[in-house]
Amino acid sequence: AQSVSQHNHHVILSEAASLELGCNYSYGGTVNLFWYVQYPGQHLQLLLKYFSGDPLVKGIKGFEAEFIKSKFSFNLRKPSVQWSDTAEYFCAVCGGNTPLVFGKGTRLSVIA
Amino acid sequence: DAMVIQNPRYQVTQFGKPVTLSCSQTLNHNVMYWYQQKSSQAPKLLFHYYDKDFNNEADTPDNFQSRRPNTSFCFLDIRSPGLGDAAMYLCATSRDSGPEQFFGPGTRLTVL
Repeated sequence: AQSVSQHNHHVILSEAASLELGCNYSYGGTVNLFWYVQYPGQHLQLLLKYFSGDPLVKGIKGFEAEFIKSKFSFNLRKPSVQWSDTAEYFCAVCGGNTPLVFGKGTRLSVIA
Repeated sequence: DAMVIQNPRYQVTQFGKPVTLSCSQTLNHNVMYWYQQKSSQAPKLLFHYYDKDFNNEADTPDNFQSRRPNTSFCFLDIRSPGLGDAAMYLCATSRDSGPEQFFGPGTRLTVL
């Protein structure tokens, strides 16, 4: 069965700091990878996705993620966070005909 | 704009009183999903419809049922809500079980 691990439960950063959120998955076959964001009181929104091709994926709002197949990782990055990036971030994996599996999420708090 | 709509956004029910949550979509996607998301946890898939075919996750309690009268609508019925069923319920859609899912805003259920 697939599983997704997000290593950080809660990350606190100052504005303009760089961000990296870890995501590792377990699945032996071809995977589709996603990062979703959930702002306070709002619904899940897709930040970026990887299906194939260039392993460095650029998403909305300056986010990017890198798929490293050998490490089974898909870490999310942003060079300079803003207060408005305060949200919950979910990594998700889908492989073959299996349903989407979410990680437990990482809460990001950005302070001024 | 094509979208996934959930009604109501907030639902309060009493312990043991049946409740129905509604989801509609204008995306014309043939797959619809229901997830349960408890506070600070990842969304958990309850079941999904592939066209008219119902697919229940193995650990979804019998208390949870679903109906899909047509392509656009899907309902989540909780026959006898318990306090532990208080959560955000998310509806999502996709095309042909494709990896990308589109989420609605969710219905927050409170059980008194």
